[in-house]
Amino acid sequence: EAEVAQSPRYKITEKSQAVAFWCDPISGHATLYWYRQILGQGPELLVQFQDESVVDDSQLPKDRFSAERLKGVDSTLKIQPAELGDSAMYLCASSLYDVGETQYFGPGTRLLVL
Amino acid sequence: GENVEQHPSTLSVQEGDSAVIKCTYSDSASNYFPWYKQELGKGPQLIIDIRSNVGEKKDQRIAVTLNKTAKHFSLHITETQPEDSAVYFCAASMGSARQLTFGSGTQLTVLP
Repeated sequence: EAEVAQSPRYKITEKSQAVAFWCDPISGHATLYWYRQILGQGPELLVQFQDESVVDDSQLPKDRFSAERLKGVDSTLKIQPAELGDSAMYLCASSLYDVGETQYFGPGTRLLVL
Repeated sequence: GENVEQHPSTLSVQEGDSAVIKCTYSDSASNYFPWYKQELGKGPQLIIDIRSNVGEKKDQRIAVTLNKTAKHFSLHITETQPEDSAVYFCAASMGSARQLTFGSGTQLTVLP
């Protein structure tokens, strides 16, 4: 069964450092999402890609967060500089076409900022 | 934007009993309502979804009902088993490139 891959699974960093997360969606899925999930809460969308284009990044803190999906396949989410409040689970999901299709989530990257 | 409220935040049931989780949404334009199960340390997994042109959908022990007039939808799990223990999230979307808005989650514990 095809799955969304994410790495690393865990990341510990100090504040002001740069961190990067990688996601490889299910093959053939045009839409890719990055979510942030704070402990005890539901996932919140950070950015949505359709192929290589950003569809929605209204909730992405653009002063420190950036995301790219250069070839329309895998994607990288970067935080620079990391702040204590960035500690959370970062989830990647993909769907075949758009939000109305099933979103399949990866295992996530647990980030701890010290 | 859309707002999804989910209740209860925690739910404990005896094995074999039924569990019901309820969600309300604010935007009447929402038309897609998935439910996800998240086990500790894992990403959410879709367990069932429903679209606004359907009032009820069932898959073995899991069912979802939708009341568009009242803007609420519910997850029903029958004959609960210990492996059903997890956090369950509801979500709503207006579809077609509109984002999913998630509820705050329900920690379900099935007691053996």
